[in-house]
Amino acid sequence: GAVVSQHPSRVICKSGTSVKIECRSLDFQATTMFWYRQFPKQSLMLMATSNEGSKATYEQGVEKDKFLINHASLTLSTLTVTSAHPEDSSFYICSEKVRETQYFGPGTRLLVL
Amino acid sequence: QKEVEQDPGPLSVPEGAIVSLNCTYSNSAFQYFMWYRQYSRKGPELLMYTYSSGNKEDGRFTAQVDKSSKYISLFIRDSQPSDSATYLCAMSIFTGNQFYFGTGTSLTVIP
Repeated sequence: GAVVSQHPSRVICKSGTSVKIECRSLDFQATTMFWYRQFPKQSLMLMATSNEGSKATYEQGVEKDKFLINHASLTLSTLTVTSAHPEDSSFYICSEKVRETQYFGPGTRLLVL
Repeated sequence: QKEVEQDPGPLSVPEGAIVSLNCTYSNSAFQYFMWYRQYSRKGPELLMYTYSSGNKEDGRFTAQVDKSSKYISLFIRDSQPSDSATYLCAMSIFTGNQFYFGTGTSLTVIP
């Protein structure tokens, strides 16, 4: 299967700062990547679909100006949480689409103080 | 009605038991069916991936798809404590980027 990495694995930041999370495809050229967030003991919530070289498609209710997604190359997509607030604290997971399935990264735990 | 329904559990079984995890769905256009295992504080890991109806076996895991009943199952034989995790089913249509996930079933295998 495909291998996806995320960096950082954990981040703690102060309220009002911006945080960038990187998602890398290590062995496939990922035309399409997905960003999810997950609260404790809850299922995955799709935030956006990221396509290489074009603007991301955001799910309803997800603020595109707050969660900036950039997919500038076939191996890297980034999610920037701008002006983070404590309610943005969550587990953020990226995945890449490979044929008709998805391979997930290990996730990034964000804590906003 | 949700596109994919999955009993959240929790499910607790003794070591060595056969585990049956299930999902039902409503969209007959789904053609690809996946099972993921997610350990606490980790990203989901793809366990099994099947296309259309039938069975697929991989070691202790068997994925079963019954398209006529819109029902998929994951069987785990000889369950181990290391199988303790949340199991997510997922499915998709042939074209497009839309995937539909179940809410996950929490499994604990007791030594």
